[in-house]
Amino acid sequence: NAGVMQNPRHLVRRRGQEARLRCSPMKGHSHVYWYRQLPEEGLKFMVYLQKENIIDESGMPKERFSAEFPKEGPSILRIQQVVRGDSAAYFCASSNPGPTLGEKLFFGSGTQLSVL
Amino acid sequence: GESVGLHLPTLSVQEGDNSIINCAYSNSASDYFIWYKQESGKGPQFIIDIRSNMDKRQGQRVTVLLNKTVKHLSLQIAATQPGDSAVYFCAGLGGSGGGADGLTFGKGTHLIIQP
Repeated sequence: NAGVMQNPRHLVRRRGQEARLRCSPMKGHSHVYWYRQLPEEGLKFMVYLQKENIIDESGMPKERFSAEFPKEGPSILRIQQVVRGDSAAYFCASSNPGPTLGEKLFFGSGTQLSVL
Repeated sequence: GESVGLHLPTLSVQEGDNSIINCAYSNSASDYFIWYKQESGKGPQFIIDIRSNMDKRQGQRVTVLLNKTVKHLSLQIAATQPGDSAVYFCAGLGGSGGGADGLTFGKGTHLIIQP
């Protein structure tokens, strides 16, 4: 029973390149969340998606960042024209709706993005 | 808006002692709080949660206390073990900019276990 799978674990990009981060939710989960974590910081919400639908993108930067969760396949967080400030750990979490969010929100191991 | 933060960035305790990790929140309308444990190189892992209609909840070796009067919650870990070494985050529901049903994370406390 695989958990939330993120790949790659580590991604190195040069300034101006594109970064694509993938997240496969836990089996049976239809909700995906993306969070960003800077060193010594807590997780900052970016976007919340259901299949083929963005529910809340209030934490997503207006430019260069986009996310999708297609009907088939993993959720993708895409960062265009990366800058050094994009360097961070990006975590994906998945859940199904329920009365107790905490118990039902499962995190992946994250993708560490390093921008040179 | 909501802010959730912890009092100390690092907490060092002796193995076998009890650990207490504190967290303060600003939004009195927050009604749900979660503690997560994050080990190095891993994603956050759910520990325990508590709703605002409770002031205490116990799990296995962990207890969360909620004081709504001073907007403070704490995580108590009994008989701390080496495997408890991690960063502990509190998260609150109902904050601004949190998304995901308004979940806002604090910065974390690094718990260090000394032999």
